[in-house]
Amino acid sequence: DAGVIQSPRHEVTEMGQEVTLRCKPISGHDYLFWYRQTMMRGLELLIYFNNNVPIDDSGMPEDRFSAKMPNASFSTLKIQPSEPRDSAVYFCASSHTGDSNQPQHFGDGTRLSIL
Amino acid sequence: GQSLEQPSEVTAVEGAIVQINCTYQTSGFYGLSWYQQHDGGAPTFLSYNALDGLEETGRFSSFLSRSDSYGYLLLQELQMKDSASYFCAGYFNQAGTALIFGKGTTLSVSS
Repeated sequence: DAGVIQSPRHEVTEMGQEVTLRCKPISGHDYLFWYRQTMMRGLELLIYFNNNVPIDDSGMPEDRFSAKMPNASFSTLKIQPSEPRDSAVYFCASSHTGDSNQPQHFGDGTRLSIL
Repeated sequence: GQSLEQPSEVTAVEGAIVQINCTYQTSGFYGLSWYQQHDGGAPTFLSYNALDGLEETGRFSSFLSRSDSYGYLLLQELQMKDSASYFCAGYFNQAGTALIFGKGTTLSVSS
């Protein structure tokens, strides 16, 4: 089975531009998570979905960030407008169920640099 | 809020045994996971403990003591390829299905 697929792998853009990160979860997984990883703050949960419905977006840093999951096989994380402090690695992960014993499967991440 | 504490760095030599500790805030806690992340890569799941005791998976074992709010990851017969960051991650009632990650422990294995 294919794992979680994220695109693009790298993104470099100037501040003020809109950035869209994409994720395809593992087929059959009901839960999808978006994380951000930085040296200072570590791995932080931004938002997660259950069956395409956002459940908890309390980790989204501000209104410039938005996430959607229009169907079971696709999700986007959008930053508009982007700022240099948004530079980080953004990971998408999925899990089969929400049970705590279910591993989360991570994609390879998108390395975002905002100049 | 929920938080987990783990050492920032650990060093060891090939063939040795290393233990990476993790302490957590008790409120709402119900399970502890461990993830491995090689530099530049995706975190990958290693183990999960919900009950007290030791879970063994090959060279890696994970332990949980709920009474002490403490867990650890034990890596045996260390190999160079074990050099990576290791994260403990907790499940808390207040966070629903979401994982709260520790800041990670960087393990460096030398020959």
